[in-house]
Amino acid sequence: DIQMTQSPSSLSASVGDRVTITCRASQSISSYLNWYQQKPGKAPKVLIYAASSLQSGVPSRFSGSGSGTDFTLTISSLQPEDSATYYCQQSHSTPWTFGQGTKVEIK
Amino acid sequence: QEQLAESGGGVVQPGRSLRLSCAASGFTFSNYGMHWVRQAPGKGLEWVAVIYYDGSKKYYADSVKGRFTISRDNSENTLYLQMNSLRAEDTAVYYCARDISSRWYDCWGQGTLVTVSS
Repeated sequence: DIQMTQSPSSLSASVGDRVTITCRASQSISSYLNWYQQKPGKAPKVLIYAASSLQSGVPSRFSGSGSGTDFTLTISSLQPEDSATYYCQQSHSTPWTFGQGTKVEIK
Repeated sequence: QEQLAESGGGVVQPGRSLRLSCAASGFTFSNYGMHWVRQAPGKGLEWVAVIYYDGSKKYYADSVKGRFTISRDNSENTLYLQMNSLRAEDTAVYYCARDISSRWYDCWGQGTLVTVSS
């Protein structure tokens, strides 16, 4: 199985800060990497698919980059509503696996 | 409006069975692969199983293989997860999710909680 490792596990940042979350795959997954946002008690919601494509309706402050084994989710200007846990997920091969999550808190 | 709605969760004793359902509406269910994903309390997301759009192929996580069965009824727009020989470690919120091009999830249900406890 492909292992997905996110860092950091949690972070605290101020409104307006630029935030970066990284995700590393245990083997190359090309661009088969997705990012989800999950708020407490809610289902996850896709933000970025295929490493860098912004899902319709998602604010443009979210962006994704990377290919192969190293990927990044960037929030260009953190907003209060971005407080959530973020997960990366590979869909290169079954089983689809998720990172352990990054909890983003607002200072 | 495209929606998924899970049902069937509850409290069950170890070793017993439970069947979850996921009712789809607002889209052509038979065109999409469907997955079950679970989340143990306070933990991350774990993929459980997938079924192709026509039911022709099914895959399972090692943790549930031989105990869980995914199925679908395209005439009823419903996805199922039959869970047998349940264990305490199966306690989780179970989500159904629709996949796009077998590459990402664009629609999720609200989740149903399964608690395995004596």
